[in-house]
Amino acid sequence: GAVVSQHPSRVICKSGTSVKIECRSLDFQATTMFWYRQFPKQSLMLMATSNEGSKATYEQGVEKDKFLINHASLTLSTLTVTSAHPEDSSFYICSAYRDRGPETQYFGPGTRLLVL
Amino acid sequence: DQQVKQNSPSLSVQEGRISILNCDYTNSMFDYFLWYKKYPAEGPTFLISISSIKDKNEDGRFTVFLNKSAKHLSLHIVPSQPGDSAVYFCAARGDYKLSFGAGTTVTVRA
Repeated sequence: GAVVSQHPSRVICKSGTSVKIECRSLDFQATTMFWYRQFPKQSLMLMATSNEGSKATYEQGVEKDKFLINHASLTLSTLTVTSAHPEDSSFYICSAYRDRGPETQYFGPGTRLLVL
Repeated sequence: DQQVKQNSPSLSVQEGRISILNCDYTNSMFDYFLWYKKYPAEGPTFLISISSIKDKNEDGRFTVFLNKSAKHLSLHIVPSQPGDSAVYFCAARGDYKLSFGAGTTVTVRA
């Protein structure tokens, strides 16, 4: 099966600092990755689509200068939460797109961010 | 604008009985519908999917039904097992993106 990892799994940071989250597809190449966030007891909300070698596409209402996405290789996308604030505390999940079968998006295990 | 809705936040079912989870959508352009199982602080795990041109797909204990005219789909789990206790998300695919419902928490009682 397709494996996607995320690092770190949990991070606690002070307000005003920046945090980088990595998403890696371990056994396949992904030209497209997706970043989601999930608040407690709520749905997964798509934040942005990360495209290898080009700019990310952000969903409406997501600040691109706040959530910097870099997809520098076919197996790695990073999400940097800049100048984090307590309201950015959430569960961030990435997925990697693979055009094989109906599943197509393979999810990472998620990263819990807590901003103090 | 919530395009995918799961109106039941929770479901409790006895072990061995059937669990039925429901999902409604508004966008007729979705081409695939998927169900995911999720535990707290983990990523979603794919369970089963159905193409928009089908009305039923079965995989072991899991069956998904699609009613396109009603823009409604359901997931049947039978028999329910204690290990099925989790949050279940319905998702719809359009233009390679997934839109998720709010989830239904299933509790299987022994």
